[in-house]
Amino acid sequence: QKEVEQNSGPLSVPEGAIASLNCTYSDRGSQSFFWYRQYSGKSPELIMSIYSNGDKEDGRFTAQLNKASQYVSLLIRDSQPSDSATYLCAVPEGVRDMRFGAGTRLTVKP
Amino acid sequence: DVKVTQSSRYLVKRTGEKVFLECVQDMDHENMFWYRQDPGLGLRLIYFSYDVKMKEKGDIPEGYSVSREKKERFSLILESASTNQTSMYLCASSLMGSSYEQYFGPGTRLTVT
Repeated sequence: QKEVEQNSGPLSVPEGAIASLNCTYSDRGSQSFFWYRQYSGKSPELIMSIYSNGDKEDGRFTAQLNKASQYVSLLIRDSQPSDSATYLCAVPEGVRDMRFGAGTRLTVKP
Repeated sequence: DVKVTQSSRYLVKRTGEKVFLECVQDMDHENMFWYRQDPGLGLRLIYFSYDVKMKEKGDIPEGYSVSREKKERFSLILESASTNQTSMYLCASSLMGSSYEQYFGPGTRLTVT
């Protein structure tokens, strides 16, 4: 069974700081990677996807992928209290399934 | 916008009851999934379906069955509910192939007493 590992946290950062969330995966053949945000009591929502090595930026969010190290990260710049949530890393497994990490809980303190 | 809806947000059932959870998506997605989410255990796949009348077991299928008679609808059935099936149940859908992102419904919080 392929694994997706995340530090469960909690990760606490002050408002305005950069939050760095990390994810490692075991399947070297993985080609696409996703970050989901889940607020307490709500369902996961997709916030970023990345398919090639390097960085992908979307507003305050940057996804970083290093396939050689089997490592994907999410940076949140100028963190806001509204960013407080659990962030799930997801990596496709096989031809149909998706493997989710357990999630990292982020708290942004005003 | 992709829309995935689930029949109930909250449900309370008694031990031994048969429970139906329904999920409908409006984006013509081929794949549909049922997960349960418990604190500390993350998302665990129960079943998924890649076509009408097709289904495959996920990581924890015991005690559950599914039905997909129409492309847009995927039902999860608890044949005889037990207290250890108290959980948040999440439905998701995606285009064919695992490389596509999954879109989630709002979830059903099921309590079995």
